[in-house]
Amino acid sequence: EPEVTQTPSHQVTQMGQEVILRCVPISNHLYFYWYRQILGQKVEFLVSFYNNEISEKSEIFDDQFSVERPDGSNFTLKIRSTKLEDSAMYFCASAGLEETQYFGPGTRLLVL
Amino acid sequence: GDSVTQMEGPVTLSEEAFLTINCTYTATGYPSLFWYVQYPGEGLQLLLKATKADDKGSNKGFEATYRKETTSFHLEKGSVQVSDSAVYFCALKNSGYALNFGKGTSLLVTP
Repeated sequence: EPEVTQTPSHQVTQMGQEVILRCVPISNHLYFYWYRQILGQKVEFLVSFYNNEISEKSEIFDDQFSVERPDGSNFTLKIRSTKLEDSAMYFCASAGLEETQYFGPGTRLLVL
Repeated sequence: GDSVTQMEGPVTLSEEAFLTINCTYTATGYPSLFWYVQYPGEGLQLLLKATKADDKGSNKGFEATYRKETTSFHLEKGSVQVSDSAVYFCALKNSGYALNFGKGTSLLVTP
């Protein structure tokens, strides 16, 4: 069964550093998403991406964040200058025409 | 705005007990409703969904019925197993792209 994959599984970085989280969505999917889950809290929507542009973003997704689909298979989330409060589990998801979202296993980001 | 409210956990049950996890929502229009499950150390897996009123979603012995009159989507299972121990998230998707999640309910099933 096709699945969403994410790399790395864990990332530790220093405050102020840039990080790039990578995702490979399910191959024939059209919609791509990033969510995050701060430890002990609910899963929060960050951004959705369709037809090579951002289709919706939340208040969390400020200028420090960006997304890209560089090569037709990968989907990346970049955090330009990480803050302590960016520590969270980041989930990528993708959806096909029926728009049911399938999630990857997540990347646990720890900012020190 | 839209929101999802789930019963507080943790819920602890003995194996073969009946499970209900309550979920109610507030939304305009006609959202789709979902249950996702997160097993320890893993990501979110879609458990079941319902896209319109009175639809019943079912998977792996779990069921939930979309009740528009009570704005609810309660998750049920007739006989839980130890392997069902996980965190369960109710979510809705309205006219936009985002899934709106509840806070999650932790379930522990003991032998």
